[in-house]
Amino acid sequence: AQTVTQSQPEMSVQEAETVTLSCTYDTSESNYYLFWYKQPPSRQMILVIRQEAYKQQNATENRFSVNFQKAAKSFSLKISDSQLGDTAMYFCALQSARQLTFGSGTQLTVLP
Amino acid sequence: SQTIHQWPATLVQPVGSPLSLECTVEGTSNPNLYWYRQAAGRGLQLLFYSVGIGQISSEVPQNLSASRPQDRQFILSSKKLLLSDSGFYLCAWGPRDRVLRGEQYFGPGTRLTVT
Repeated sequence: AQTVTQSQPEMSVQEAETVTLSCTYDTSESNYYLFWYKQPPSRQMILVIRQEAYKQQNATENRFSVNFQKAAKSFSLKISDSQLGDTAMYFCALQSARQLTFGSGTQLTVLP
Repeated sequence: SQTIHQWPATLVQPVGSPLSLECTVEGTSNPNLYWYRQAAGRGLQLLFYSVGIGQISSEVPQNLSASRPQDRQFILSSKKLLLSDSGFYLCAWGPRDRVLRGEQYFGPGTRLTVT
């Protein structure tokens, strides 16, 4: 069985500042993918960024970047220059074989 | 580009009534299809996934069922709803391409309230 743990149920950040969301995971698979999904108040799940486990280089998508520490099984998301539209629930997810497992989520609020 | 539709957007049903939620995908062929449920304040739980027409795998035993009558159509059903079936139901599709395995794209969801 694989698990994904997000230990921060809620976080807040001032607009234009940087925030880091934490995620740890556990799997016995050697080949897997990690994702961060965003769920704004509209409830639609949006893929933010993904990381292949075999790649050492951390993925980056504009203001979003990850810190992937494979040995520690850690996958944190950094949001730079936070914007009000970043307010959402953020889910960390682990994909191995056919199973996609989600963490319980972190509610991020960007304050004006 | 690919789009995914779900309907209805919201649904209020009494206990014991049947359920049918529909999901369709446009702009892609032979997608993997998924049904998830999200309880209030919780993460997503995979209910069913399908790799082809008529091929359904169930992750969680329950009173729900799924069917895939067409390549890009995925239906979630129940003969008799329980109060515990309330939640937010998300359909997702994923490309078959091995390189992209693991990416899933979600529909807008259906909020189901069982009364």
